[in-house]
Amino acid sequence: GAVVSQHPSWVICKSGTSVKIECRSLDFQATTMFWYRQFPKQSLMLMATSNEGSKATYEQGVEKDKFLINHASLTLSTLTVTSAHPEDSSFYICSASNGEWSEQFFGPGTRLTVL
Amino acid sequence: GQNIDQPTEMTATEGAIVQINCTYQTSGFNGLFWYQQHAGEAPTFLSYNVLDGLEEKGRFSSFLSRSKGYSYLLLKELQMKDSASYLCAAMDSNYQLIWGAGTKLIIKP
Repeated sequence: GAVVSQHPSWVICKSGTSVKIECRSLDFQATTMFWYRQFPKQSLMLMATSNEGSKATYEQGVEKDKFLINHASLTLSTLTVTSAHPEDSSFYICSASNGEWSEQFFGPGTRLTVL
Repeated sequence: GQNIDQPTEMTATEGAIVQINCTYQTSGFNGLFWYQQHAGEAPTFLSYNVLDGLEEKGRFSSFLSRSKGYSYLLLKELQMKDSASYLCAAMDSNYQLIWGAGTKLIIKP
């Protein structure tokens, strides 16, 4: 199956700093990448959908100026959490697909802890 | 509105069979996915149904009834490693995945 990597796997940062998370599709071209957030014992919450070369589409309630998404190539998307606060601590997961209706392949996730 | 319902938690015995049900209401429908998620890990794909009927894949099978907005995941010959959350997700007409809250499956020896 297709492989998606995420880096870093976990990160601890101080409140007010910015954190960048990378999502890479290793063996296929991802026309669409998705960013999810998952709080403990809750389901995945879609934050945004990004298509290569265009602006991301954010879900209602997700601040686009706080969660910056860049999908500059068909194999890389980045999520930057700006001015992180403790309430941003969560498990961030990306997924990628190579077609509108095809299966989403998930990265291993990034656990963010903001002190 | 769009909605996915699945039980919060189920318990089963090692070696037995368990069926996890999922009902969905979406704006349009482009298929039903089941994912497995172990604690602290990202989801992994199990199955995809877009036509009515049963899809069998080893110990796991998935069923879909589009007229009833209903799917189930059937796990046979349960093993301890099957203890995980099982997420049901329906794809709507915009190709967005609508996720259920997940069913935590506890396997007892």
